[in-house]
Amino acid sequence: DAKTTQPPSMDCAEGRAANLPCNHSTISGNEYVYWYRQIHSQGPQYIIHGLKNNETNEMASLIITEDRKSSTLILPHATLRDTAVYYCIVRVAESGGYQKVTFGIGTKLQVIP
Amino acid sequence: DAGVTQSPTHLIKTRGQHVTLRCSPISGHKSVSWYQQVLGQGPQFIFQYYEKEERGRGNFPDRFSARQFPNYSSELNVNALLLGDSALYLCASSPRSYQETQYFGPGTRLLVL
Repeated sequence: DAKTTQPPSMDCAEGRAANLPCNHSTISGNEYVYWYRQIHSQGPQYIIHGLKNNETNEMASLIITEDRKSSTLILPHATLRDTAVYYCIVRVAESGGYQKVTFGIGTKLQVIP
Repeated sequence: DAGVTQSPTHLIKTRGQHVTLRCSPISGHKSVSWYQQVLGQGPQFIFQYYEKEERGRGNFPDRFSARQFPNYSSELNVNALLLGDSALYLCASSPRSYQETQYFGPGTRLLVL
């Protein structure tokens, strides 16, 4: 599995964009980049995923570099409710349909009023 | 639509006991995965089940077992509980076994005394 590297913590002012980086330098061509967040020990919440192209949904934008070795999750207007641990993971799909997911320790995002 | 549900929400056991945790996937989802999350760490993959068959197993001892029922719900069983089994146990469902977004339940908080 490709490993991901994220900063352990970040601060962001409320109303500003939060840019969360992730390195996945050993990612394979068929591995997707997924982002989840976890608020205060609730179950992780799916945010967004992508393979090569940049993606945007109602929650966030995902920017993947051309070489796919890193990505950035962008929360365009952070609110206090966005305070959470954000996980960047890469997904392996093996021949038997086995879906292994490996989480690191994530980035603790603190949105400051 | 109802999300992934798990029961119980909290559980206290003593060392050596057995525990059964339950998960109901999102309607229409046929794959269920189990994760263990100890305090301060990201979720760690335990099992994946698809169409009632085990499709993947993480690095956990044989004390951990699971099964999936015809209605796609699932049980995680842990025998001979150890103090180190204290954790948040998460269930995630996805439509199929591979390349599908996983949606997590709220988790079961297990405390072993």
